[in-house]
Amino acid sequence: QKEVEQNSGPLSVPEGAIASLNCTYSDRGSQSFFWYRQYSGKSPELIMSIYSNGDKEDGRFTAQLNKASQYVSLLIRDSQPSDSATYLCAVNRVNNDMRFGAGTRLTVKP
Amino acid sequence: NAGVTQTPKFQVLKTGQSMTLQCAQDMNHNSMYWYRQDPGMGLRLIYYSASEGTTDKGEVPNGYNVSRLNKREFSLRLESAAPSQTSVYFCASSPTGQGVGGRYGYTFGSGTRLTVV
Repeated sequence: QKEVEQNSGPLSVPEGAIASLNCTYSDRGSQSFFWYRQYSGKSPELIMSIYSNGDKEDGRFTAQLNKASQYVSLLIRDSQPSDSATYLCAVNRVNNDMRFGAGTRLTVKP
Repeated sequence: NAGVTQTPKFQVLKTGQSMTLQCAQDMNHNSMYWYRQDPGMGLRLIYYSASEGTTDKGEVPNGYNVSRLNKREFSLRLESAAPSQTSVYFCASSPTGQGVGGRYGYTFGSGTRLTVV
């Protein structure tokens, strides 16, 4: 079992729809959770962080965390073609060892 | 612009050659990291430096060495390149480090695309 698992996609949504990206992790003691966006051929860019159970909203992005289910998600509302990218989930484990998922490729179609 | 600067952006090596990837950050971050990214594998940590003067192995350190030259600079050296080291390499930095507090995400450099033939 991978430590951080994501559906590789591709996930395709129409412009204006809600995109839902999911991530599960294996280390129950994990403390901090992050979402990065990576455009093709570019470096990862931090877009969201979450530490407590529940929702955290920032503009069109909402991160959701459920530690009991070892599950973290990212919702993108009113998706735009410019949101088309690979989204990486990252988990900071109990010993502050950051692990990344392989990423979910999102395509937003005009 | 403030950030993480990596050089070179592209490199082709022959098997057995050596090279050093350079990384510098101007954000006064304590911690710096070297990752490699391969298709379907995600980012894997090669080495990290929690603070100036310290370095530690990550998940895939074999075939690599690092030097934390000062607070700003963290280099990655391949002593004898192998085709298995063909990858995209990213340097990253964060305000705090492993063992100190993990609530900060990382700032990544633009990457080095390395091909070993």
